[in-house]
Amino acid sequence: NAGVTQTPKFRILKIGQSMTLQCAQDMNHNYMYWYRQDPGMGLKLIYYSVGAGITDKGEVPNGYNVSRSTTEDFPLRLELAAPSQTSVYFCASRKTGEANYGYTFGSGTRLTVV
Amino acid sequence: QQQVKQSPQSLIVQKGGISIINCAYENTAFDYFPWYQQFPGKGPALLIAIRPDVSEKKEGRFTISFNKSAKQFSLHIMDSQPGDSATYFCAASRTGNQFYFGTGTSLTVIP
Repeated sequence: NAGVTQTPKFRILKIGQSMTLQCAQDMNHNYMYWYRQDPGMGLKLIYYSVGAGITDKGEVPNGYNVSRSTTEDFPLRLELAAPSQTSVYFCASRKTGEANYGYTFGSGTRLTVV
Repeated sequence: QQQVKQSPQSLIVQKGGISIINCAYENTAFDYFPWYQQFPGKGPALLIAIRPDVSEKKEGRFTISFNKSAKQFSLHIMDSQPGDSATYFCAASRTGNQFYFGTGTSLTVIP
């Protein structure tokens, strides 16, 4: 049971380039999330999904896009990368219908835009 | 606007001591308050959580104290150990769709 798997672990992008951060979970969780973590700022929600085909914006969605074609996968797309998108990105998931809302997080993708 | 305010930013505690981290929130509609523990290079992991219908929850050496009227909650780590050295995040959510995280507390437990 792998949990939440994120790839790549590290990436350096040049300004204006695009990339997709991959996230996959094998726990049959309906809810999936993308957060970014910046030093001293905690985690900020970028996008989330409550199930396949359904996505919604979080606190900081600008510059990002997501899709959710399957229950397992929730990729995050960066278009026209900017230095402000240098961050550590975490994907998380949780099961619906439980009293415990606790997330399972992936191990993160460290992205640097230069 | 920071929905959840966390303090202190960093904390140094002697082995065996009590570590206390505090959080305050504004939105009275929040109904779930978890604490996450994060080690360097890893994703956060759920440590303990509480709902506003109880004032305290204890799991092993970790206790959440919740004060609904003051809109505050805190994490107490009893008998702190060097292995507890990590960054701790509080969070709050309504219905579990969106979580708002505090800015984190870096805990160092000195042997």
